[in-house]
Amino acid sequence: GAGVSQSPSNKVTEKGKDVELRCDPISGHTALYWYRQSLGQGLEFLIYFQGNSAPDKSGLPSDRFSAERTGGSVSTLTIQRTQQEDSAVYLCASSLGQYNQPQHFGDGTRLSIL
Amino acid sequence: AQSVTQPDIHITVSEGASLELRCNYSYGATPYLFWYVQSPGQGLQLLLKYFSGDTLVQGIKGFEAEFKRSQSSFNLRKPSVHWSDAAEYFCAVGSGGITGGGNKLTFGTGTQLKVEL
Repeated sequence: GAGVSQSPSNKVTEKGKDVELRCDPISGHTALYWYRQSLGQGLEFLIYFQGNSAPDKSGLPSDRFSAERTGGSVSTLTIQRTQQEDSAVYLCASSLGQYNQPQHFGDGTRLSIL
Repeated sequence: AQSVTQPDIHITVSEGASLELRCNYSYGATPYLFWYVQSPGQGLQLLLKYFSGDTLVQGIKGFEAEFKRSQSSFNLRKPSVHWSDAAEYFCAVGSGGITGGGNKLTFGTGTQLKVEL
């Protein structure tokens, strides 16, 4: 496919469990972003990857959240010991990397913590 | 810190009527501004962007936006709304790489558009 692909599209899990969310960016895009969309907080930046540089983790809400990007392509966002306030839609975006290149978003993963 | 304000949470317009969605931003340098649209269950689609140059920018689906530095605004307009335009619209400002963090986007809270037939 030509767009950003995220999986799963929906995830329901119990409080305290760990979850992994996957993002497959557009081929050739060197920049990858994770955002969170929740009712209380709106759309928030979480983390940013650019090429081989150290990621910008300034938006991660707690140390339970982490992300990695393997081989400069696929990224995984991991949430450990999930809490109910983690329930949200997690959106991934990718771009060509230069500041003036627009970000292309996936359809998101809807995460529900019971 | 950068911020975006969308003062209208909900807007209802009749099909065929004109539309203007308001956006005000706060940013310490030249802003990089975007409008995105989100349909239910889907991600964000870019409508248009402003980086520099002509302050009136054209986007997809017949939308346009005007950057007004003096008013710190970037309002979205469409001359004639179609029923398929019903969706949520987000204004965003990008860091533009100035902070070294790529183009992190700060979003407004969104405006939900309803179109009456």
